[in-house]
Amino acid sequence: QVQLVQSGAEVKEPGASVKVSCKASGYTFTKYGIHWVRQAPGQGLEWMGWINTDDGIARFLENLQGRVTVTRDTVATTAYMELSSLRPEDTAIYYCARTGIRGSYYFDYWGQGTLVTVSS
Amino acid sequence: IVMTQSPGTLSVSPGERATLSCRASQSVNNNLAWYQQKSGQAPRLLIYHASTRATGIPARFSGSGSGTEFTLTISSLQSEDFAVYYCQQYDNWWTFGQGTKVEIK
Repeated sequence: QVQLVQSGAEVKEPGASVKVSCKASGYTFTKYGIHWVRQAPGQGLEWMGWINTDDGIARFLENLQGRVTVTRDTVATTAYMELSSLRPEDTAIYYCARTGIRGSYYFDYWGQGTLVTVSS
Repeated sequence: IVMTQSPGTLSVSPGERATLSCRASQSVNNNLAWYQQKSGQAPRLLIYHASTRATGIPARFSGSGSGTEFTLTISSLQSEDFAVYYCQQYDNWWTFGQGTKVEIK
């Protein structure tokens, strides 16, 4: 069965970086893209960016440009999201989600979420 | 594209019908999905392409609309349906609505 399993919770100080992983199983990794979505405490869902796991090209929300890096390892069938220069307002649950690459761009499977807390 | 959901909170009794709305700031054709999120859980896909139920989703959930106006209807609310519902457009990048909380009346 399709599964996306994310890495565990992180606590970081302001200015640091965090790297969250998303291990995919149960399907052909390079046939589906991986998106990253975050949810601040008590708030809604914010799309951050995505990576085409086939060609490795990534796209991000404009206001995150320069701070977010999304990569993938096709052998390990894992996607990674790294966020740098962390601020307290980056405190959120970060989710990965699967999407089609050629059409069908909705998110059909989600990871369990990774809580990232930014605090001094 | 800005997605606007209404109402913010919907109070409904079990067994009643719930109607949730989602409006797009420009046409998204039928590239619209609905997700359900229960407290402490990841979102779950309910509807895609505006009206197609995802695998395993009960028939009491239905979606309609195209262009800029969309509706999610839950025909007879069950206890497990009380949650927050988000619409999402995937026509031009990806954006979510702010969510509608369906609570017990």
